[in-house]
Amino acid sequence: DGGITQSPKYLFRKEGQNVTLSCEQNLNHDAMYWYRQDPGQGLRLIYYSQIVNDFQKGDIAEGYSVSREKKESFPLTVTSAQKNPTAFYLCASSGPPNTQYFGPGTRLTVL
Amino acid sequence: ILNVEQSPQSLHVQEGDSTNFTCSFPSSNFYALHWYRWETAKSPEALFVMTLNGDEKKKGRISATLNTKEGYSYLYIKGSQPEDSATYLCAFPSGGSNYKLTFGKGTLLTVNP
Repeated sequence: DGGITQSPKYLFRKEGQNVTLSCEQNLNHDAMYWYRQDPGQGLRLIYYSQIVNDFQKGDIAEGYSVSREKKESFPLTVTSAQKNPTAFYLCASSGPPNTQYFGPGTRLTVL
Repeated sequence: ILNVEQSPQSLHVQEGDSTNFTCSFPSSNFYALHWYRWETAKSPEALFVMTLNGDEKKKGRISATLNTKEGYSYLYIKGSQPEDSATYLCAFPSGGSNYKLTFGKGTLLTVNP
């Protein structure tokens, strides 16, 4: 089945630790995205990548890092510099005309 | 960051009612307007991508209209069913690129049987 997978579904992290969220797609899409959702807020863009080996900051990139070494994969690292990392994280990919297809999400909790 | 406003924030209707809600966006430098449906415990799912002023799109009982000059889009659901219960999100590209979407906070629709 074509789609987007994110792992893990739930993730717990101690304060001060970096953690990496996985996102894989087999839709052959060039573009991939990471969003964050907090209660009462819309989805906010963290990073996006239009093509392999290239990525741009979104609206809330501070404290996060990404890589795009393969077309299928766009992992997100939440670093210890992110002051409030507890949130629900969604990954998406898109082809023309940029209709975005979303994964099931990862809920990150900092203990 | 652009302002994309959705109203109402939430809506409760009875099965069979028709309903509509609004997405407002900046009318300058229009590129496209996206609608998504997000059911509980599922991933957001694309409904429409609208690009032309006056555009009207339809998918089953759901339709959407677009007014780029005044900066709004309406989403209509005819004869609501319990399975229509979801959060409906609109999104507007920012920074002159269709890749960087700014999402509204959504309208939470609950359809009571």
